[in-house]
Amino acid sequence: AQSVTQPDIHITVSEGASLELRCNYSYGATPYLFWYVQSPGQGLQLLLKYFSGDTLVQGIKGFEAEFKRSQSSFNLRKPSVHWSDAAEYFCAVGQSGAGSYQLTFGKGTKLSVIP
Amino acid sequence: DADVTQTPRNRITKTGKRIMLECSQTKGHDRMYWYRQDPGLGLRLIYYSFDVKDINKGEISDGYSVSRQAQAKFSLSLESAIPNQTALYFCATSGQGGETQYFGPGTRLLVL
Repeated sequence: AQSVTQPDIHITVSEGASLELRCNYSYGATPYLFWYVQSPGQGLQLLLKYFSGDTLVQGIKGFEAEFKRSQSSFNLRKPSVHWSDAAEYFCAVGQSGAGSYQLTFGKGTKLSVIP
Repeated sequence: DADVTQTPRNRITKTGKRIMLECSQTKGHDRMYWYRQDPGLGLRLIYYSFDVKDINKGEISDGYSVSRQAQAKFSLSLESAIPNQTALYFCATSGQGGETQYFGPGTRLLVL
């Protein structure tokens, strides 16, 4: 079974600083990987996804992530954080099971932004 | 209008009561999902449905049941609510390829 680890429960950065959120996965085949963001009181919004091809993927809101097979990682980055980026971020790995698509989520990383 | 809607958005109920959470979507997707989110645990899959006639248990289906009334509607029921079912519940949908899931705004449930 696949699993996802987000090692950092809570990260605090200053506005304008760079950001990297870590995600490690365990999956036997080539994974489908996702990052979602959950703002306070909101649902989950898809930031970006990796299925195949270029290992550096661009997403919305200026985020990007890089798939590194050798490290089983899919870290999320942003060069300059804005106060509105304060939210909880979830990494997820997808599998194809029984004809459908099941996501396994990490436990999330809460991002706080200092003005 | 939102593509995936959930009702109610908030609900307080008592132990032993039966409650239903509803999900509707206008994305035209065949696949629908119910998750629960608990602090520090991420999201866990309760049930998923490929189409109206196909329903499958997820990781934590005990204590829950579902109904797929139409392609666009997928309901989650707690037959006899208990306090440890207090959580945030999300509905999601995905298309035929199934790869990307789109989430509703969530229902916050408190069981007293």
